[in-house]
Amino acid sequence: QTVVTQEPSLTVSPGGTVTLTCASSTGALTTYSYPSWFQQRPGQAPRTLIYSTNNKHSWTPARFSGSLLGGKAALTLSGAQPEDEADYYCLLYYGADQLPVFGGGTKLTVL
Amino acid sequence: QVQLQESGPGLVKPSETLSLTCTVSGASMNSYYWSWLRQPPGKGLELIGYIYYSGSTKYNSSLKSRVTMAVDTSKNQFSLKLSSLTAADTAVYYCVRGGGWRAIDYWGQGTPVTVSS
Repeated sequence: QTVVTQEPSLTVSPGGTVTLTCASSTGALTTYSYPSWFQQRPGQAPRTLIYSTNNKHSWTPARFSGSLLGGKAALTLSGAQPEDEADYYCLLYYGADQLPVFGGGTKLTVL
Repeated sequence: QVQLQESGPGLVKPSETLSLTCTVSGASMNSYYWSWLRQPPGKGLELIGYIYYSGSTKYNSSLKSRVTMAVDTSKNQFSLKLSSLTAADTAVYYCVRGGGWRAIDYWGQGTPVTVSS
Protein backbone atom coordinates (compact mmCIF):
# COMPACT_ATOMS: atom_id res chain seq x y z
CA GLN A 1 0.00 0.00 0.00
CA THR A 2 1.33 3.38 -1.03
CA VAL A 3 1.98 5.83 1.79
CA VAL A 4 2.36 9.57 1.35
CA THR A 5 4.16 11.30 4.20
CA GLN A 6 3.98 14.91 5.33
CA GLU A 7 5.35 16.66 8.40
CA PRO A 8 2.64 16.36 11.11
CA SER A 9 3.15 19.91 12.26
CA LEU A 10 5.24 23.01 11.53
CA THR A 11 5.44 26.48 13.02
CA VAL A 12 6.35 29.67 11.21
CA SER A 13 6.69 33.24 12.46
CA PRO A 14 4.54 35.95 10.90
CA GLY A 15 6.35 37.20 7.81
CA GLY A 16 8.59 34.15 7.80
CA THR A 17 9.18 31.41 5.26
CA VAL A 18 8.40 27.73 5.65
CA THR A 19 8.53 24.71 3.36
CA LEU A 20 6.16 21.79 3.67
CA THR A 21 7.13 18.53 1.99
CA CYS A 22 5.34 15.49 0.62
CA ALA A 23 7.16 12.19 0.16
CA SER A 24 6.10 8.90 -1.37
CA SER A 25 6.88 5.40 -0.13
CA THR A 26 7.51 4.46 -3.78
CA GLY A 27 10.54 6.71 -4.05
CA ALA A 28 11.48 10.00 -5.65
CA LEU A 29 8.66 12.02 -7.15
CA THR A 30 8.62 13.45 -10.66
CA THR A 31 6.32 15.87 -12.43
CA TYR A 32 4.31 12.81 -13.51
CA SER A 33 3.16 12.48 -9.91
CA TYR A 34 1.18 15.68 -10.61
CA PRO A 35 1.47 16.82 -6.97
CA SER A 36 -1.31 19.04 -5.70
CA TRP A 37 -1.58 21.01 -2.49
CA PHE A 38 -4.73 21.89 -0.55
CA GLN A 39 -5.34 24.27 2.33
CA GLN A 40 -8.02 23.61 4.94
CA ARG A 41 -8.69 26.33 7.47
CA PRO A 42 -10.46 25.34 10.69
CA GLY A 43 -14.12 24.57 10.10
CA GLN A 44 -13.88 25.10 6.35
CA ALA A 45 -13.80 22.94 3.27
CA PRO A 46 -10.40 22.46 1.66
CA ARG A 47 -9.38 24.61 -1.27
CA THR A 48 -6.81 23.89 -3.93
CA LEU A 49 -3.66 26.01 -3.85
CA ILE A 50 -1.25 24.28 -6.24
CA TYR A 51 -1.69 21.65 -8.97
CA SER A 52 0.70 19.78 -11.25
CA THR A 53 3.71 20.61 -9.06
CA ASN A 54 3.81 24.39 -9.40
CA ASN A 55 0.67 25.73 -11.05
CA LYS A 56 -1.53 28.19 -9.19
CA HIS A 57 -5.22 28.90 -9.43
CA SER A 58 -6.56 32.41 -9.73
CA TRP A 59 -7.32 32.44 -6.03
CA THR A 60 -3.91 31.21 -4.86
CA PRO A 61 -2.03 33.92 -2.97
CA ALA A 62 1.29 34.78 -4.60
CA ARG A 63 3.17 33.92 -1.39
CA PHE A 64 2.53 30.20 -2.01
CA SER A 65 4.67 28.27 -4.48
CA GLY A 66 5.12 24.62 -5.37
CA SER A 67 8.19 22.68 -6.49
CA LEU A 68 10.04 19.39 -6.43
CA LEU A 69 12.80 19.34 -3.86
CA GLY A 70 15.12 16.42 -3.25
CA GLY A 71 12.68 13.88 -4.64
CA LYS A 72 9.74 15.27 -2.71
CA ALA A 73 6.97 17.67 -3.58
CA ALA A 74 7.27 20.94 -1.71
CA LEU A 75 4.99 23.82 -0.82
CA THR A 76 6.78 27.01 0.18
CA LEU A 77 5.08 29.85 1.97
CA SER A 78 7.04 33.11 1.86
CA GLY A 79 5.79 35.88 4.11
CA ALA A 80 3.41 33.94 6.33
CA GLN A 81 0.20 35.64 7.38
CA PRO A 82 -2.04 34.78 10.34
CA GLU A 83 -4.71 33.54 7.92
CA ASP A 84 -2.29 30.91 6.62
CA GLU A 85 -2.69 28.94 9.84
CA ALA A 86 -4.36 25.80 8.55
CA ASP A 87 -3.97 22.14 7.66
CA TYR A 88 -2.24 21.46 4.36
CA TYR A 89 -2.65 18.26 2.36
CA CYS A 90 -0.77 16.99 -0.66
CA LEU A 91 -2.15 14.58 -3.25
CA LEU A 92 -0.06 12.39 -5.55
CA TYR A 93 -0.97 10.54 -8.74
CA TYR A 94 0.26 6.97 -9.27
CA GLY A 95 -1.07 6.10 -12.70
CA ALA A 96 -4.34 4.90 -14.14
CA ASP A 97 -4.45 1.67 -12.12
CA GLN A 98 -4.58 3.34 -8.71
CA LEU A 99 -6.43 6.20 -7.11
CA PRO A 100 -4.35 9.24 -6.19
CA VAL A 101 -3.27 9.21 -2.56
CA PHE A 102 -3.45 11.99 0.02
CA GLY A 103 -0.77 12.70 2.54
CA GLY A 104 -1.74 12.75 6.19
CA GLY A 105 -1.60 16.53 6.34
CA THR A 106 0.57 19.17 7.99
CA LYS A 107 -0.82 21.43 10.68
CA LEU A 108 0.81 24.82 10.16
CA THR A 109 0.87 27.26 13.04
CA VAL A 110 1.70 30.93 12.49
CA LEU A 111 3.14 32.14 15.76
CA GLN B 1 -18.12 30.66 -11.37
CA VAL B 2 -18.13 26.92 -10.85
CA GLN B 3 -20.03 25.78 -7.79
CA LEU B 4 -20.67 22.33 -6.37
CA GLN B 5 -23.31 21.52 -3.78
CA GLU B 6 -23.71 18.23 -1.96
CA SER B 7 -27.12 17.07 -0.80
CA GLY B 8 -28.32 14.08 1.16
CA PRO B 9 -29.26 12.83 4.61
CA GLY B 10 -27.19 13.90 7.57
CA LEU B 11 -28.04 10.80 9.60
CA VAL B 12 -28.09 7.22 8.37
CA LYS B 13 -28.55 3.98 10.28
CA PRO B 14 -25.91 1.24 10.40
CA SER B 15 -26.17 -1.33 7.61
CA GLU B 16 -28.16 1.10 5.45
CA THR B 17 -27.07 2.77 2.19
CA LEU B 18 -25.96 6.39 1.98
CA SER B 19 -27.06 8.31 -1.10
CA LEU B 20 -25.51 11.69 -1.89
CA THR B 21 -25.92 13.95 -4.90
CA CYS B 22 -23.63 16.70 -6.09
CA THR B 23 -25.15 19.44 -8.22
CA VAL B 24 -22.78 21.37 -10.46
CA SER B 25 -23.48 24.92 -11.57
CA GLY B 26 -21.56 27.39 -13.66
CA ALA B 27 -19.87 24.79 -15.86
CA SER B 28 -20.54 21.84 -18.11
CA MET B 29 -19.68 18.41 -16.79
CA ASN B 30 -18.28 17.38 -20.15
CA SER B 31 -14.60 16.48 -20.40
CA TYR B 32 -14.07 16.44 -16.66
CA TYR B 33 -13.57 13.91 -13.89
CA TRP B 34 -15.75 14.30 -10.80
CA SER B 35 -14.78 12.88 -7.43
CA TRP B 36 -16.09 12.12 -3.99
CA LEU B 37 -13.88 12.48 -0.93
CA ARG B 38 -14.53 12.19 2.77
CA GLN B 39 -12.96 13.32 6.01
CA PRO B 40 -13.72 11.54 9.29
CA PRO B 41 -13.88 13.78 12.37
CA GLY B 42 -10.40 15.03 13.27
CA LYS B 43 -8.75 13.05 10.48
CA GLY B 44 -7.38 13.58 7.00
CA LEU B 45 -8.84 13.41 3.52
CA GLU B 46 -9.69 10.16 1.75
CA LEU B 47 -10.53 9.78 -1.91
CA ILE B 48 -13.58 7.56 -2.35
CA GLY B 49 -13.46 7.48 -6.12
CA TYR B 50 -14.14 9.36 -9.30
CA ILE B 51 -16.35 9.24 -12.35
CA TYR B 52 -15.70 10.62 -15.81
CA TYR B 53 -18.49 12.55 -17.51
CA SER B 54 -18.92 9.58 -19.85
CA GLY B 55 -19.67 7.30 -16.88
CA SER B 56 -16.42 5.37 -16.41
CA THR B 57 -15.45 5.02 -12.78
CA LYS B 58 -12.58 4.22 -10.47
CA TYR B 59 -13.08 3.45 -6.80
CA ASN B 60 -10.95 3.22 -3.69
CA SER B 61 -9.99 -0.43 -3.37
CA SER B 62 -10.85 -0.47 0.33
CA LEU B 63 -14.41 0.67 -0.42
CA LYS B 64 -14.89 -0.80 -3.86
CA SER B 65 -17.42 -3.46 -2.91
CA ARG B 66 -19.69 -0.87 -1.29
CA VAL B 67 -19.40 2.12 -3.65
CA THR B 68 -21.40 3.06 -6.71
CA MET B 69 -21.10 6.36 -8.56
CA ALA B 70 -23.26 7.66 -11.37
CA VAL B 71 -23.43 10.80 -13.48
CA ASP B 72 -26.35 12.59 -15.13
CA THR B 73 -24.96 15.30 -17.36
CA SER B 74 -28.46 16.41 -18.40
CA LYS B 75 -29.09 17.45 -14.81
CA ASN B 76 -25.47 18.50 -14.15
CA GLN B 77 -25.34 16.07 -11.26
CA PHE B 78 -23.29 13.14 -10.09
CA SER B 79 -24.00 10.83 -7.21
CA LEU B 80 -22.52 8.49 -4.63
CA LYS B 81 -24.03 5.41 -3.05
CA LEU B 82 -22.21 3.74 -0.15
CA SER B 83 -23.77 0.58 1.23
CA SER B 84 -23.47 -1.47 4.43
CA LEU B 85 -22.67 1.57 6.51
CA THR B 86 -20.88 1.41 9.85
CA ALA B 87 -19.83 4.06 12.34
CA ALA B 88 -16.48 4.21 10.54
CA ASP B 89 -18.24 5.84 7.60
CA THR B 90 -19.14 8.87 9.72
CA ALA B 91 -17.45 11.79 7.99
CA VAL B 92 -17.85 15.00 6.07
CA TYR B 93 -18.35 14.07 2.42
CA TYR B 94 -17.08 16.40 -0.31
CA CYS B 95 -17.70 16.44 -4.03
CA VAL B 96 -15.07 18.03 -6.25
CA ARG B 97 -14.25 18.63 -9.87
CA GLY B 98 -11.19 16.67 -10.91
CA GLY B 99 -9.78 13.21 -10.45
CA GLY B 100 -7.18 10.84 -11.81
CA TRP B 101 -4.37 12.90 -13.25
CA ARG B 102 -6.68 15.88 -13.75
CA ALA B 103 -6.25 18.40 -11.00
CA ILE B 104 -8.91 18.92 -8.39
CA ASP B 105 -9.91 22.56 -8.57
CA TYR B 106 -13.41 23.27 -7.27
CA TRP B 107 -14.80 21.86 -4.03
CA GLY B 108 -18.27 21.59 -2.56
CA GLN B 109 -18.78 22.91 0.95
CA GLY B 110 -19.10 19.37 2.29
CA THR B 111 -21.99 17.57 3.92
CA PRO B 112 -21.64 15.88 7.31
CA VAL B 113 -22.93 12.33 7.55
CA THR B 114 -23.36 10.49 10.82
CA VAL B 115 -23.95 6.74 10.94
CA SER B 116 -25.85 5.95 14.08
CA SER B 117 -28.94 4.10 15.19
